[in-house]
Amino acid sequence: DAMVIQNPRYQVTQFGKPVTLSCSQTLNHNVMYWYQQKSSQAPKLLFHYYDKDFNNEADTPDNFQSRRPNTSFCFLDIRSPGLGDAAMYLCATSGGSSYEQYFGPGTRLTVT
Amino acid sequence: AQSVTQLGSHVSVSEGALVLLRCNYSSSVPPYLFWYVQYPNQGLQLLLKYTSAATLVKGINGFEAEFKKSETSFHLTKPSAHMSDAAEYFCAVSFNSGYALNFGKGTSLLVTP
Repeated sequence: DAMVIQNPRYQVTQFGKPVTLSCSQTLNHNVMYWYQQKSSQAPKLLFHYYDKDFNNEADTPDNFQSRRPNTSFCFLDIRSPGLGDAAMYLCATSGGSSYEQYFGPGTRLTVT
Repeated sequence: AQSVTQLGSHVSVSEGALVLLRCNYSSSVPPYLFWYVQYPNQGLQLLLKYTSAATLVKGINGFEAEFKKSETSFHLTKPSAHMSDAAEYFCAVSFNSGYALNFGKGTSLLVTP
């Protein structure tokens, strides 16, 4: 089945230690998104790629970066995680004429 | 700007009872509306979507929603709740493909025996 895959599902990192979360998709969608979701809150868009064009949300901290080396893969880099960055990170895709987004299972990040 | 408001952060229903989760939207252009469900420690799964076709939209797991322009609403319903319906439900709006979704704050559905 075509899908959005996120690895790892659970990630523990230390305060200030860089961490990378990965997302891959087999849907061949041209748009990929990264959301941050804190406990009992709605997902908050961090940035998205429209093909290779990177679109950063105005309030996304500089501490968060992203890379998309090809259509299938997208990475979220947190350069110096703080305790406030502990959250579920969701990757999503959309493409063609479809308006809906397809979400991966998420990576739950813990910062110690 | 497009936005949605979900009325009620928590809704509790008995098993077998009607489920009604409320969503109102604000949009200056024809909106595209979605309902997503999220189970604990999982991603979001699309329940149904409205993209300017039929106003009554049927989705998965017996859910449906009706787009009412006069009321700017897109409420989610299910005739008979099942224990497995207990989850977080998000209403979302977009105005074009390839653009971000604006989510409501979510409604937590509790189903009691």
